[in-house]
Amino acid sequence: QKEVEQNSGPLSVPEGAIASLNCTYSDRGSQSFFWYRQYSGKSPELIMFIYSNGDKEDGRFTAQLNKASQYVSLLIRDSQPSDSATYLCAVNSGTASKLTFGTGTRLQVTL
Amino acid sequence: DTEVTQTPKHLVMGMTNKKSLKCEQHMGHRAMYWYKQKAKKPPELMFVYSYEKLSINESVPSRFSPECPNSSLLNLHLHALQPEDSALYLCASSQDGGLSGNTIYFGEGSWLTVV
Repeated sequence: QKEVEQNSGPLSVPEGAIASLNCTYSDRGSQSFFWYRQYSGKSPELIMFIYSNGDKEDGRFTAQLNKASQYVSLLIRDSQPSDSATYLCAVNSGTASKLTFGTGTRLQVTL
Repeated sequence: DTEVTQTPKHLVMGMTNKKSLKCEQHMGHRAMYWYKQKAKKPPELMFVYSYEKLSINESVPSRFSPECPNSSLLNLHLHALQPEDSALYLCASSQDGGLSGNTIYFGEGSWLTVV
């Protein structure tokens, strides 16, 4: 069974710190990886996607992919209270139109 | 702002009612999706339409009936639902169903309560 695993949290970081969110996946054939942010009562919002090993940066966000170790991470620099949300890792594992989601990590940025 | 628009935002229906959820995307995407999300759970895929044809049905009960009138519109017809079907229903779209273009964008969702 294809799985995507995340620590449910909550992950608590102080304002201005770096938040590190991690995700592991079981299917070595996985090709593309996504991070979504979901505020309580709202729909998932795409933050980043990454296809290749290494780092991909977009503003305060950096996605990191290591296919050999089967993990993908999201770093949020200079964390703000508005970053407090659940972060969903999603993996495409070969069947083109299907994403498998992790259960999400709840991030709390404290003042 | 999302370019995937869902209506209604909230729906309360009885178990004998027939209702529909509607979705429209304005991005020229050729794949559209229905997901269901229960509280504190990740989204679960229900249906995928690719180029207006149903390509994936995740063994969804027949009381949920999808329809794709054209490449921009996606409906979910609801009939004889159960209280446990109460959830957030998310419509999504992507450029196509192919691997390279499958960044999936979600609409704001329709909150469904079955009484």
